[in-house]
Amino acid sequence: GQQVMQIPQYQHVQEGEDFTTYCNSSTTLSNIQWYKQRPGGHPVFLIQLVKSGEVKKQKRLTFQFGEAKKNSSLHITATQTTDVGTYFCAGWTGGGADGLTFGKGTHLIIQP
Amino acid sequence: DAGVIQSPRHEVTEMGQEVTLRCKPISGHDYLFWYRQTMMRGLELLIYFNNNVPIDDSGMPEDRFSAKMPNASFSTLKIQPSEPRDSAVYFCASTPTSVGGELFFGEGSRLTVL
Repeated sequence: GQQVMQIPQYQHVQEGEDFTTYCNSSTTLSNIQWYKQRPGGHPVFLIQLVKSGEVKKQKRLTFQFGEAKKNSSLHITATQTTDVGTYFCAGWTGGGADGLTFGKGTHLIIQP
Repeated sequence: DAGVIQSPRHEVTEMGQEVTLRCKPISGHDYLFWYRQTMMRGLELLIYFNNNVPIDDSGMPEDRFSAKMPNASFSTLKIQPSEPRDSAVYFCASTPTSVGGELFFGEGSRLTVL
């Protein structure tokens, strides 16, 4: 079945440093979504990428979708304590909801 | 909009007891999903419904798990009998029109089975 690998599993950064998480799918994706889950919270949708090579920005967050539509990345510039949490990618291959597979997430820990 | 509402937020029970988790999706959303989250396995899709009809329950671990959606505004996930390995956070999520679109998650039900 489809697999979505996400690395790193944990990332410790000093406040103000940049952060990047990477997502790789074993199959070509129709779209990829990114979610953020604060400690003790629930996943909250951040963005969806659909087009090959697409790049989207939300303030300090930059999202990229690979040309082959099998990988994606999320980059945060100048991290702040409010960025703490787990960032998940979710790749959809089309068809039913069983085609939506979540990565295991990257836990971002920020040291002030 | 109140968002997806789940209850209970926390449940502690003993092995062998029946557990019922409840979910109210966002009004007008046609799809409802049940996910289980653990550190080891991450977010796993258990089952999803389209217009109250179960479409895919291949993620349901075993016969001890069952889910129903009697109407558009209510769904239950039942575990009977519960086992310690069922301890996890169970999330309900809904989406309006497409399974490939944005998921709106509830705050989750944290289940501990002793």
